Amino acid sequence: NAGVMQNPRHLVRRRGQEARLRCSPMKGHSHVYWYRQLPEEGLKFMVYLQKENIIDESGMPKERFSAEFPKEGPSILRIQQVVRGDSAAYFCASSPLGGGSNTEAFFGQGTRLTVV
Amino acid sequence: GQNIDQPTEMTATEGAIVQINCTYQTSGFNGLFWYQQHAGEAPTFLSYNVLDGLEEKGRFSSFLSRSKGYSYLLLKELQMKDSASYLCAVSPNTGRRALTFGSGTRLQVQP
Repeated sequence: NAGVMQNPRHLVRRRGQEARLRCSPMKGHSHVYWYRQLPEEGLKFMVYLQKENIIDESGMPKERFSAEFPKEGPSILRIQQVVRGDSAAYFCASSPLGGGSNTEAFFGQGTRLTVV
Repeated sequence: GQNIDQPTEMTATEGAIVQINCTYQTSGFNGLFWYQQHAGEAPTFLSYNVLDGLEEKGRFSSFLSRSKGYSYLLLKELQMKDSASYLCAVSPNTGRRALTFGSGTRLQVQP
C-alpha cells in the first residue's frame, strides 16, 4: 500500500508563473489536507478537501491560490502568479476519516517550491 | 481560535531523557497528536492522546492534561537519530477542521 504521493518533490518557478502541486492520497483515504511550511516554522493549515468538495479553505489565501480534489485523479493545489513569498514546503496529508476523528493523518514527502 | 506553544529548541545528550512540553488554548478540542519531522522529510506520527494520562510506546511516551491544556512528549534513552523537530498538533472536535500545529521543537542530541 503506497503512502501519500506528492509530485514534484522540487519545483522552481519564476515570479509570475503558475505552480501546480499534486497529491495522491493513500488508497482508501477520501480526506485530503494541504499544509504550508516555511523554513524553521511549523505546518500551517491551508485547505481540507473530500472528493469533489472543499470542506474548509479558511487557511488558504483568497487570491492566487486554489485547490481541488476531483472524483478521479490526484488533489491539485494551484498557485497562480507566484511571488517569492510563496517559496515554502507544501505538504499533503490524507486520512480515511475527517477532522475531529482520532485517526492519524499520513503525510506525503512534500513539494519544495522555490520562486526565483 | 487555537494557540499552541512549544519551545523552539532543546539540546540533550545521547542516552539521556528529554521532555518536550506543549501548551494549548483552543475553542474546540478532541485530542492531541505528536509528530516527528526530520529535516527535509515528512512528519511521521508518534502518538495521539484523547484522555488524561500517560501513554507509553517504547522509548517514547506522551502525556495529556485536558484541564490544564498541557501535554508533553518524553523521549528516553536518546539516540543520535532522535535529532529532529517534534510537532504538537491539536485535533478539533468538529468534523470540518484539520489539525492545528505548533511551530515545533527542534531537538539536538549530542554525543
